[in-house]
Amino acid sequence: QQQVKQSPQSLIVQKGGISIINCAYENTAFDYFPWYQQFPGKGPALLIAIRPDVSEKKEGRFTISFNKSAKQFSLHIMDSQPGDSATYFCAASPPLTFGGGTRLMVKP
Amino acid sequence: EPEVTQTPSHQVTQMGQEVILRCVPISNHLYFYWYRQILGQKVEFLVSFYNNEISEKSEIFDDQFSVERPDGSNFTLKIRSTKLEDSAMYFCASSALLAGGTDTQYFGPGTRLTVL
Repeated sequence: QQQVKQSPQSLIVQKGGISIINCAYENTAFDYFPWYQQFPGKGPALLIAIRPDVSEKKEGRFTISFNKSAKQFSLHIMDSQPGDSATYFCAASPPLTFGGGTRLMVKP
Repeated sequence: EPEVTQTPSHQVTQMGQEVILRCVPISNHLYFYWYRQILGQKVEFLVSFYNNEISEKSEIFDDQFSVERPDGSNFTLKIRSTKLEDSAMYFCASSALLAGGTDTQYFGPGTRLTVL
């Protein structure tokens, strides 16, 4: 019930391309869905978050799409840059439950 | 910008020893958390703390773990008798009680615990 499944585990994208990471959850009591970005040796940092009453949220190059009926949500990174190379975690709360992570590499 | 701080950044200990990991949450935050991340794996919730008591804990947070807020600024995680499998990165996080219950948690940089 608490599990959050994330895919893919790793992703390689060319600079300027679109990175797409998908997540699915089971617990319908979750009501807050953040995405975290983690660089090596650092703690996760909040990137963008959505609540289930909206289907999409955009902040700069980052967009979350949310499908409540399918219990799925995804992160789209437009115009991906080498500086976006990091591990991305989707999460759902409460309590804050992380997906397995996606290691993104953006090639110059 | 306020941030969560953690000390030490790296702790090496012998199996069976007690360790205390320390955190200073963001000053006006009311909820405090500990997570762990085994190398290459996902971040796992350990415990949440509010109003000087544990509000929720996971199956991982067994009797060898304890948390404390000894003063107005520090939040600690104690592992009583460390095991090899306790080797991980431990993250502290804090969040403010916001209108609407948004659970935005801010993470510290972590303490890498190595149990030999």
